Amino acid sequence: GQQLNQSPQSMFIQEGEDVSMNCTSSSIFNTWLWYKQDPGEGPVLLIALYKAGELTSNGRLTAQFGTTRKDSFLNISASIPSDVGIYFCAGQDGGSNYKLTFGKGTLLTVNP
Amino acid sequence: EAGVAQSPRYKIIEKRQSVAFWCNPISGHATLYWYQQILGQGPKLLIQFQNNGVVDDSQLPKDRFSAERLKGVDSTLKIQPAKLEDSAVYLCASSLDTASGGGYTFGSGTRLTVV
Repeated sequence: GQQLNQSPQSMFIQEGEDVSMNCTSSSIFNTWLWYKQDPGEGPVLLIALYKAGELTSNGRLTAQFGTTRKDSFLNISASIPSDVGIYFCAGQDGGSNYKLTFGKGTLLTVNP
Repeated sequence: EAGVAQSPRYKIIEKRQSVAFWCNPISGHATLYWYQQILGQGPKLLIQFQNNGVVDDSQLPKDRFSAERLKGVDSTLKIQPAKLEDSAVYLCASSLDTASGGGYTFGSGTRLTVV
């Protein structure tokens, strides 16, 4: 089946620093999504990308849909303590009932 | 709008016991999903409903897991009998339709511990 490799597994940064994480796939996706999960909660959608090469921003977050359709990147600028959490990438395949395949997540810790 | 409601929030059972989880999706959302999230992993799809019909249950361990969505609204997920490896958070999500792309909304999940 499809597999997503998300890296890094964890990051420990200082407040104000920028953060980058990425996701690669063994196969093509039609849609790339980035979620954030806080402890004890379900994932919350941050950014959705629908076209190869697309670059989309949501406040301090910027994500890109790779041109090969097999990868995606998420950048967080000027991190703040509330950015702490687990960030998941997810790919959606239009041919498999549009189900989501998730990466294993990146645990972000921000030191104030 | 109200979010996806799940209950209970936590459940501890002994292995070989049975357990059931309940989900109430966002009003009007035709598609409902159950995901299993093992500690340190991303969510994995167990079953997907479109209204009250099953669209995808290819990753549901059907010897012990069952799910239903009577009347195309609420859904229940059951495990019988439970195994230690079933310890996980069970997330319910809903979307307007199957092809909603980023339109999923997740509930807060039920954390199951099997001892």
